[in-house]
Amino acid sequence: GIQVEQSPPDLILQEGANSTLRCNFSDSVNNLQWFHQNPWGQLINLFYIPSGTKQNGRLSATTVATERYSLLYISSSQTTDSGVYFCAVDNGGANSKLTFGKGITLSVRP
Amino acid sequence: DAGITQSPRHKVTETGTPVTLRCHQTENHRYMYWYRQDPGHGLRLIHYSYGVKDTDKGEVSDGYSVSRSKTEDFLLTLESATSSQTSVYFCAISSTGVQPQHFGDGTRLSIL
Repeated sequence: GIQVEQSPPDLILQEGANSTLRCNFSDSVNNLQWFHQNPWGQLINLFYIPSGTKQNGRLSATTVATERYSLLYISSSQTTDSGVYFCAVDNGGANSKLTFGKGITLSVRP
Repeated sequence: DAGITQSPRHKVTETGTPVTLRCHQTENHRYMYWYRQDPGHGLRLIHYSYGVKDTDKGEVSDGYSVSRSKTEDFLLTLESATSSQTSVYFCAISSTGVQPQHFGDGTRLSIL
């Protein structure tokens, strides 16, 4: 099946700093999503982005499908950005099934 | 927020007992999914449903069964729970399968 690798595995930032989280995948995809799991365990869908660029406030994401990677940018980080960020992909088939990466743990210090 | 309710939110039970987890949605979405989350593994798909009475296996389906008799409910059953099934279980929904998935708040299951 498709492989998903996220980097770096852990990231520590000072509040106000910017960061880039990376997701590499091993095959072409027709579905790519970024999720944030907050410290209370809730999973929030950030972006559905199989290709192109999207922005939502301080967060933006870019997927370069031809080169098999996606980037999540966090600008002016806040302590509430802490948590685990997951990338998940699907490469087609009759029913879409996401394969998740192992996640990137982000800690934003005040 | 997507209307997804998982029950129970926490459960402790003993090895060998049957366990059923429920996922209830109010969004009328066609697709529903069950995942488990374990340290070092991220989220792994157990089973999913693409319509009433239509289900299929995911990556880690052994030891689990599912049923979907109504659009709004997706049940996950552990027929005879084992300690290796101690995990946090998440339900997710999606309108078309390739559209964004939205997750419930999870069920923490401990099997002693």
